[in-house]
Amino acid sequence: SQKIEQNSEALNIQEGKTATLTCNYTNYSPAYLQWYRQDPGRGPVFLLLIRENEKEKRKERLKVTFDTTLKQSLFHITASQPADSATYLCALGGTGGFKTIFGAGTRLFVKA
Amino acid sequence: KAGVTQTPRYLIKTRGQQVTLSCSPISGHRSVSWYQQTPGQGLQFLFEYFSETQRNKGNFPGRFSGRQFSNSRSEMNVSTLELGDSALYLCASSTATQTLGDTQYFGPGTRLTVL
Repeated sequence: SQKIEQNSEALNIQEGKTATLTCNYTNYSPAYLQWYRQDPGRGPVFLLLIRENEKEKRKERLKVTFDTTLKQSLFHITASQPADSATYLCALGGTGGFKTIFGAGTRLFVKA
Repeated sequence: KAGVTQTPRYLIKTRGQQVTLSCSPISGHRSVSWYQQTPGQGLQFLFEYFSETQRNKGNFPGRFSGRQFSNSRSEMNVSTLELGDSALYLCASSTATQTLGDTQYFGPGTRLTVL
């Protein structure tokens, strides 16, 4: 069955450092992969989308890589800030299926 | 543009009752998806509607149902509530077309508690 794995343990980093979150998937050939941010008690907020034919995408302090051979995506937040503390969700989508599959998320804590 | 809205925001029900949740998508979005989120299971896909048709359904029992109206607003219904149905129910709309999915924009969710 389709499966998405994200670091189940929380990630603790110091302010100013780069946070790197991992998303691995199996039994799926997504047309695109997305990253969302979710704060406690709120709905997820879209951050970045990367398509299967793209290797890397950047947006301000965010960078996403997508390796369809390894079936892995890496999500980087550079110069992290305490305000970046949240849960980050990886999601896969494909054409024709109209079904987005979400990972369980990784909780990030950025210490001042 | 106004974001996705969901009503009610909080709901308390007892076992055996039924509940209807409502979602208004972003104007112009024709695709609406519903998700259940619990601490143990994460975000679980319930179903997706496009132009009043259910296009995909997750692995949930038949007690969970939904529909979409001609104005793209959507409702989901849960009958014969069980304690395990306590969760945050999230609605998301997107510009997904007939053949390609797209970014999902989530509402604030409805927190359902079953006693």
